[in-house]
Amino acid sequence: DAKTTQPPSMDCAEGRAANLPCNHSTISGNEYVYWYRQIHSQGPQYIIHGLKNNETNEMASLIITEDRKSSTLILPHATLRDTAVYYCIVSYNNDMRFGAGTRLTVKP
Amino acid sequence: DTGVSQNPRHKITKRGQNVTFRCDPISEHNRLYWYRQTLGQGPEFLTYFQNEAQLEKSRLLSDRFSAERPKGSFSTLEIQRTEQGDSAMYLCASSLVTGFQYNSPLHFGNGTRLTVT
Repeated sequence: DAKTTQPPSMDCAEGRAANLPCNHSTISGNEYVYWYRQIHSQGPQYIIHGLKNNETNEMASLIITEDRKSSTLILPHATLRDTAVYYCIVSYNNDMRFGAGTRLTVKP
Repeated sequence: DTGVSQNPRHKITKRGQNVTFRCDPISEHNRLYWYRQTLGQGPEFLTYFQNEAQLEKSRLLSDRFSAERPKGSFSTLEIQRTEQGDSAMYLCASSLVTGFQYNSPLHFGNGTRLTVT
């Protein structure tokens, strides 16, 4: 069972930053926060993960609150190709359980 | 990077028939996972292997389902006596886990879409 809560949908204007929130208030000390996204008819694509420090890669930034009970995925300059379902997962030992995710729609 | 490969991409079968799907993971990955996804839902965990050992099975994996990974490389998922409720996307993923790095991303294939008529 998913241990995260995400809004079911969000919109973002093309070129603007997309900030996707995730609540994981019951996260354990050894659990990582992972983000994946899924574009229609494709398998989920890994975006980023972190334990307690903020992380950045070429796709996105992950901001984890100090108490680790929530996090935000930031897509700095959203494009139409970023339209997808975004999943936030807390995981230990690669045990990945998906919830329903957030459907992000990037609009021109 | 050849990625995770799944075959076939689509399968249409009649109720009561048996079907088998294949997954070829990324070559150096020692863990392999199977998930099922129905329309509008996130992927649901079915089972996973570490090398050739099947280490966990979800209660979703009824006795009509069997998965194998005989040589620790590719894996097959068989569904016997298919039912209409088995219609879904079946996703395979792989990862590399070591004694020092037991948290690493899963890499997914694009799935096999099963339609049971």
